[in-house]
Parts: sequence; C-alpha cells; structure tokens
Amino acid sequence: QKEVEQDPGPLSVPEGAIVSLNCTYSNSAFQYFMWYRQYSRKGPELLMYTYSSGNKEDGRFTAQVDKSSKYISLFIRDSQPSDSATYLCAMSAPGNNRKLIWGLGTSLAVNP
Amino acid sequence: DVKVTQSSRYLVKRTGEKVFLECVQDMDHENMFWYRQDPGLGLRLIYFSYDVKMKEKGDIPEGYSVSREKKERFSLILESASTNQTSMYLCASSPNRQVKKNTEAFFGQGTRLTVV
Repeated sequence: QKEVEQDPGPLSVPEGAIVSLNCTYSNSAFQYFMWYRQYSRKGPELLMYTYSSGNKEDGRFTAQVDKSSKYISLFIRDSQPSDSATYLCAMSAPGNNRKLIWGLGTSLAVNP
Repeated sequence: DVKVTQSSRYLVKRTGEKVFLECVQDMDHENMFWYRQDPGLGLRLIYFSYDVKMKEKGDIPEGYSVSREKKERFSLILESASTNQTSMYLCASSPNRQVKKNTEAFFGQGTRLTVV
C-alpha cells in the first residue's frame, strides 16, 4: 500500500463548479500537508500549506485536513479554465523534514 | 521572488553519454532535491542534499550521482545515460525546518531529457 493515495482522474468540470480534490494517507505521523499545482510542462508550485488539522482558506481555495480519518482535501470554488492543471498533494512528518511524500496527482480540466 | 533555475528545459542525449543537469537556487536554502516525474508514477526522489557536500539517496538512486560543492548549486549526473532515463527531471529546494517553520519545497521549471 502506498503511503499516500490520490485518484489521478482525469476530472472534468464546467466553469464555475466547486471542485473537490482528495488524498488519503496511512502514516499517522504526518503533520505537514501541502497542495501543489502543476501546469503542463512546468514545475509544481505551492498552492496551500497546512500544519496539523483544520482548515485554511486562500481566496477561492480551501485546504482541509482530517487527521482522524487520514484524509486531506482541496476545494476550489468558482473554478476557472485557468485552474486546469494537475494537483499534487504532499506531506511530511516531524523529524523527517527533508523528504516529502507525494500523491500521484489529479488531472483537472475546467471547461468554459 | 523565490527562484530555482535549471540549466536546460530540453535535452537530447545519446545512450552511453555522461549527462549533467544543473540546478541553482537563490534563496539560501539548506535542502535541495532531484526528482524525476513519469506518467503514472508521479514524482520520485532520486537524491537529496541537506548541506554542502552532503547527500542522501532517495527512492531511485541507481544510475545517478549528485554533487553539491556550493550551497546554491546541486548537480545531477547520469554516468552513462540509458533510454529508461528518458524523463522529466525536477530540481527543488527547501529551508531547514529548524530555521523556518515553512518547509515547503520550491521547484524549478524542469528539464525534459530524452535519451536516444
């Protein structure tokens, strides 16, 4: 079993839809959770960063962490065609600060 | 603005060639990483370095070596390129967690390497 599971999609939604992207994980020691966005033929860029449990909001993006279920989510409100990209989750545990464990990424297409 | 720069966007090399991929960061980060990214396999860590002249193997180090002579520069070396090393190579850097709370990795634009 992989440490981090992420459905690769592809996910296709109409413009303006609410998008929900998810990852599950098995290592209860993970405390740092990140979402990266990667456009085609580019490097990933950090979108959201959360420490431990709870929610974090940044504009149209909300990151949620449920440590009891070992489940993290990224919500995109009012999705735009410019949100079309691959979204990768990543996480790490204290004491292992150099290595991130990555999901495979979910490919999202927002159609005008 | 945070910057990780990879020396080439696209490279084509022949089987058996020695290949150097260079990465430079301007954020004074302690940690640097080399990943490869393949469809269906995601990001896989090849090597990382947490200090000058220090290196640790990642998940797939076979066929690769690295060099970190200066803090800002991390090189990936393919000693004898093979066709199964055709991939997107991504360099990243991050600060040491003891120094800064935010330890997210910052990525370069990637090098698409084709070995023929």
